[in-house]
Amino acid sequence: SQTIHQWPATLVQPVGSPLSLECTVEGTSNPNLYWYRQAAGRGLQLLFYSVGIGQISSEVPQNLSASRPQDRQFILSSKKLLLSDSGFYLCAWTGKGLAGGAQYFGPGTRLTVL
Amino acid sequence: GESVGLHLPTLSVQEGDNSIINCAYSNSASDYFIWYKQESGKGPQFIIDIRSNMDKRQGQRVTVLLNKTVKHLSLQIAATQPGDSAVYFCAETSGGYNKLIFGAGTRLAVHP
Repeated sequence: SQTIHQWPATLVQPVGSPLSLECTVEGTSNPNLYWYRQAAGRGLQLLFYSVGIGQISSEVPQNLSASRPQDRQFILSSKKLLLSDSGFYLCAWTGKGLAGGAQYFGPGTRLTVL
Repeated sequence: GESVGLHLPTLSVQEGDNSIINCAYSNSASDYFIWYKQESGKGPQFIIDIRSNMDKRQGQRVTVLLNKTVKHLSLQIAATQPGDSAVYFCAETSGGYNKLIFGAGTRLAVHP
């Protein structure tokens, strides 16, 4: 069966510091991968998605970037964090196929920028 | 632009009652819809999905109804239990690559 991991689970960082969040998927190959951000009490905002190694699409202009160095690894980064970067970051995966399929989410990373 | 929204931000029910959570979508070209359950501090959990060539799909204690005429989606939970307390999101596909657009969510509170 497929599993998706995210780390760290929680992170407290000062404004202006760098960020690296990691997501890995097991039990599948060539997945589509996604990064979302969720503000407290709100819905999910798609930040980036990737259909393959080195292929990144950005949905929202922001202070963040994403990379996919390996097939099942997706990284979310920032060079200098802003207060507005605080939130719950979720990674998700889906298999490729016609007309889409359900996305499956990781446990998330709670980021607090002080 | 396309959007997925929810009629009720909070729904309170008694344990054992049936719950109905509603969702409106605006993109008539969407062909796949999903309901997720999110408990506090956790990632969303897949509940049930439905494609646009269907109008009803049942799972264990859950049923999803799709009305394409009025672009409405609902999630019915039978015999609601305290463990069902969570925020429920509907989502639709839009733009290919399985990109999903999520609504704001409905909080379901189950009272004993």
